[in-house]
Amino acid sequence: DGGITQSPKYLFRKEGQNVTLSCEQNLNHDAMYWYRQDPGQGLRLIYYSQIVNDFQKGDIAEGYSVSREKKESFPLTVTSAQKNPTAFYLCASLGAQAESLYGYTFGSGTRLTVV
Amino acid sequence: QQQVKQSPQSLIVQKGGISIINCAYENTAFDYFPWYQQFPGKGPALLIAIRPDVSEKKEGRFTISFNKSAKQFSLHIMDSQPGDSATYFCAASLGGAQKLVFGQGTRLTINP
Repeated sequence: DGGITQSPKYLFRKEGQNVTLSCEQNLNHDAMYWYRQDPGQGLRLIYYSQIVNDFQKGDIAEGYSVSREKKESFPLTVTSAQKNPTAFYLCASLGAQAESLYGYTFGSGTRLTVV
Repeated sequence: QQQVKQSPQSLIVQKGGISIINCAYENTAFDYFPWYQQFPGKGPALLIAIRPDVSEKKEGRFTISFNKSAKQFSLHIMDSQPGDSATYFCAASLGGAQKLVFGQGTRLTINP
């Protein structure tokens, strides 16, 4: 089945540590996105990539980094510079989902907690 | 100008009733307005979407109503069922579905 796989499902980070969240898609979509979800704040865009080897900052990119070396993969690194990283992280790709429906396909998310 | 404001924050509806969630936007250049449904611990799933050249779109029990002059759009869920209990997000974007701006979300509970 085509879709987006995010791993791990749960991740615990110690203070001062960098962690990397994985996102893989087999939908052959060009564009991929990382969103952060906090209670009561909706989804906020961290980074996005419309093509391999190219990516742009979203609204809250500080303390995060990404790479896009392959079409299928768009990993997100949460660095120690991100002061409040505890959140639910969602990866998405953009493409046609049905004849009249076009939009994001989301992964199941990674819940990151600082310990 | 890039914000999308969603209300209410939470909503409780009896089984069989109509659930209504509203969103308002400022940027008149937005040209794509989707709704997403999210169950706990899962990613959001695209439910229905509309472009500003139509005033209403229906998919089964789900309807989007769009008022371009008021810069508002809403989701109506007819004959609401307990399985509809989820968090719903409206969103808007320029140039199709690229770089969506999301509303704050509405937690919908359908009582049996």
